[in-house]
Amino acid sequence: AQTVTQSQPEMSVQEAETVTLSCTYDTSENNYYLFWYKQPPSRQMILVIRQEAYKQQNATENRFSVNFQKAAKSFSLKISDSQLGDTAMYFCAFSHSGNTGKLIFGQGTTLQVKP
Amino acid sequence: DSGVTQTPKHLITATGQRVTLRCSPRSGDLSVYWYQQSLDQGLQFLIQYYNGEERAKGNILERFSAQQFPDLHSELNLSSLELGDSALYFCASSDHRGLFGYTFGSGTRLTVV
Repeated sequence: AQTVTQSQPEMSVQEAETVTLSCTYDTSENNYYLFWYKQPPSRQMILVIRQEAYKQQNATENRFSVNFQKAAKSFSLKISDSQLGDTAMYFCAFSHSGNTGKLIFGQGTTLQVKP
Repeated sequence: DSGVTQTPKHLITATGQRVTLRCSPRSGDLSVYWYQQSLDQGLQFLIQYYNGEERAKGNILERFSAQQFPDLHSELNLSSLELGDSALYFCASSDHRGLFGYTFGSGTRLTVV
């Protein structure tokens, strides 16, 4: 069974600095998709970034980028120039390409951006 | 507005009661997913429907059931409620296989007293 592990329950960063959130996953599949979701205090789940396992190039969305290490089954999220609005819980998620589309989520990392 | 509509936003009910949560997916999406998020926890997959048919089942209790109607809206029924059922229930929708991620609704906060 696929599992997703986020080993950092809480993190903090100063405004304008860079922070990296860790995520590892376990799967025997070769084709899959990885996601980072953000859940701010409003509780709305927002898709931050998506990575296809068959693409070696790391995905980037503005200040958000990932470091995808397929052999190590690692998928970290880097937030550059952190802003107060980045304060949220961040969830790493996995979906097997041959699956129904079911997303398996990690337990989340609470990120606090300090002024 | 994400395009996924969940009602009601808040629900307070007593133990032993039954409630129905409703979800309208984003226009064009055929898949609907239900997730449960307990306090400060991750999201637990409950069930998925695709175009009216059950596609996948997660850790959904026997007291819980769901369905997707011909107009693609979905309902999650929770019965014989217990205090431990208090949680945020999310509905999400996607295209056929969800490979581009889900669009989430804003959730229903259920409090069982």
